[in-house]
Amino acid sequence: DQQVKQNSPSLSVQEGRISILNCDYTNSMFDYFLWYKKYPAEGPTFLISISSIKDKNEDGRFTVFLNKSAKHLSLHIVPSQPGDSAVYFCAASGAYNFNKFYFGSGTKLNVKP
Amino acid sequence: GAVVSQHPSWVICKSGTSVKIECRSLDFQATTMFWYRQFPKQSLMLMATSNEGSKATYEQGVEKDKFLINHASLTLSTLTVTSAHPEDSSFYICSARDAQGASYEQYFGPGTRLTVT
Repeated sequence: DQQVKQNSPSLSVQEGRISILNCDYTNSMFDYFLWYKKYPAEGPTFLISISSIKDKNEDGRFTVFLNKSAKHLSLHIVPSQPGDSAVYFCAASGAYNFNKFYFGSGTKLNVKP
Repeated sequence: GAVVSQHPSWVICKSGTSVKIECRSLDFQATTMFWYRQFPKQSLMLMATSNEGSKATYEQGVEKDKFLINHASLTLSTLTVTSAHPEDSSFYICSARDAQGASYEQYFGPGTRLTVT
């Protein structure tokens, strides 16, 4: 049972425009959410996170929005750059077991120059 | 900082043999390390949580006798795939939690591509 879902396997965006990656979850016990970026043949690298007590967290060009009532989070990248082209995974965890991360299946972002 | 390495990065083995994958935290101590498996175009699935000096905790459905995990030091965890079969072919990724860092932080290794022929 996939508790974290990324329904868009791929996204293509023009350089300079906004990239919006979406993630949905089903478990209301999740209280911490993370986005990871992954290049081919490399492990995921941490990008940005958000706690359930917030609805927005911003770090430079990256902003994560959390809508708890909809069990939905999104990652906005503005402006998008070709170097942002990678697979983005969202992950969720709960205080009851913060060791365990539940990952979505990833969205492959392609930023066209 | 917070670098995690894996060795080998890519391995091919014959069916029935065993393969050992190493995961090292290079610049921090990791009391807890995690082993994930990723199938093509799918999410990372946690296989087991490895705690230094104690037995690993395996997720439901993961055969502990097939996937042997040893976490002998604060910087090294190993995953041994015993009697490998073609269905074990996958991308294996480890991550490590910094003993001094935030409880949610996990740093990932580059992964190991295992192909069983």
